[in-house]
Amino acid sequence: AQTVTQSQPEMSVQEAETVTLSCTYDTSENNYYLFWYKQPPSRQMILVIRQEAYKQQNATENRFSVNFQKAAKSFSLKISDSQLGDTAMYFCAFMKQGHDMRFGAGTRLTVKP
Amino acid sequence: DTAVSQTPKYLVTQMGNDKSIKCEQNLGHDTMYWYKQDSKKFLKIMFSYNNKELIINETVPNRFSPKSPDKAHLNLHINSLELGDSAVYFCASSPSNLEQYFGPGTRLTVT
Repeated sequence: AQTVTQSQPEMSVQEAETVTLSCTYDTSENNYYLFWYKQPPSRQMILVIRQEAYKQQNATENRFSVNFQKAAKSFSLKISDSQLGDTAMYFCAFMKQGHDMRFGAGTRLTVKP
Repeated sequence: DTAVSQTPKYLVTQMGNDKSIKCEQNLGHDTMYWYKQDSKKFLKIMFSYNNKELIINETVPNRFSPKSPDKAHLNLHINSLELGDSAVYFCASSPSNLEQYFGPGTRLTVT
């Protein structure tokens, strides 16, 4: 079974600075997808970024980028120029196409003014 | 314009009651899901439906039953509610089993 580990239960960062959230996963598959979801206090789950395992290039979405290390089974999220609105729970997720999505336990990120 | 909607957003009920949570998606997606998020924020898959067929059931008690009248709807019915059922329940949908789009969640409180 695939497992997803987020080793940082809580993190904080000053506004405008950069923060990196860690995620590792365990799988024997070669083709799969990785995601980061954001859950602000409103509790809405919002897709932040997606990475296909067959792509070597790291995905980026504006201030959000990932460092995907397939051999190390690592998928970290970097948030640049942090904003107060980035305060949320962040969930790393793994999915093999045609199967269910497995989530990590989440990292609570607080952006401080 | 809401993509995935759930009703109600809050539900407070007593032990032993039967309740339903409705979910609708207007994205034309093939697959819909139900997740349970516990008090520690852990998200766990409960069910998924693809073309009206159940394809995943993760050791969920049979008091929980998903019902899909059509491809755009996946409702969750819960019988004989227990205290441990208190949680936030999320509906989600996805196109061809790719990234999932979540509804706003339903906070269920069983007293």
